[in-house]
Amino acid sequence: SQQGEEDPQALSIQEGENATMNCSYKTSINNLQWYRQNSGRGLVHLILIRSNEREKHSGRLRVTLDTSKKSSSLLITASRAADTASYFCATVSPAGTALIFGKGTTLSVSS
Amino acid sequence: EPEVTQTPSHQVTQMGQEVILRCVPISNHLYFYWYRQILGQKVEFLVSFYNNEISEKSEIFDDQFSVERPDGSNFTLKIRSTKLEDSAMYFCASSAWRRANTEAFFGQGTRLTVV
Repeated sequence: SQQGEEDPQALSIQEGENATMNCSYKTSINNLQWYRQNSGRGLVHLILIRSNEREKHSGRLRVTLDTSKKSSSLLITASRAADTASYFCATVSPAGTALIFGKGTTLSVSS
Repeated sequence: EPEVTQTPSHQVTQMGQEVILRCVPISNHLYFYWYRQILGQKVEFLVSFYNNEISEKSEIFDDQFSVERPDGSNFTLKIRSTKLEDSAMYFCASSAWRRANTEAFFGQGTRLTVV
């Protein structure tokens, strides 16, 4: 399957700490995307990293991509209680017409 | 800011009944998707739709499911004869470009409860 798998499944940290989530996938990709989902809500796009990029930043988010290991990581620095959510990586299906999501990491940030 | 809207937010239906979930994608988007998420589980791809036809569908999207863009603005998902296991959150999404190598915008979902 093309889909990514996130690790860990759940992560609990204190405000101000950094949170790192990992995603592994199985086949070659053109890009990998990260999404966030607040409880019971829709998914919100965070960042897209292309296969020829190794690192990308957006505010407090830092995404890395290692195509040789077929893995990506999402780092949230200086976390806040409002970062509490589930985070999903997504890769494109072999047909190129759908995003396939992993199982997600549930992040809990306590104040 | 443009957004994807879904109605209703919550639908309760009897097993065996037909349901239609409605979505209004972002107006200049070309690609449309339906996903579902059973409570506490992963987001599962159902179908993608472009140029008034299905581009790709998953194994979940069997003959009980159909999609339609009836009037150029709405995008609907129909489940012909609901089963208990169809209970889930259903998310509609749209993206601007023809292929999935771009950001997808999601609606807030319809919670379907089959009793």
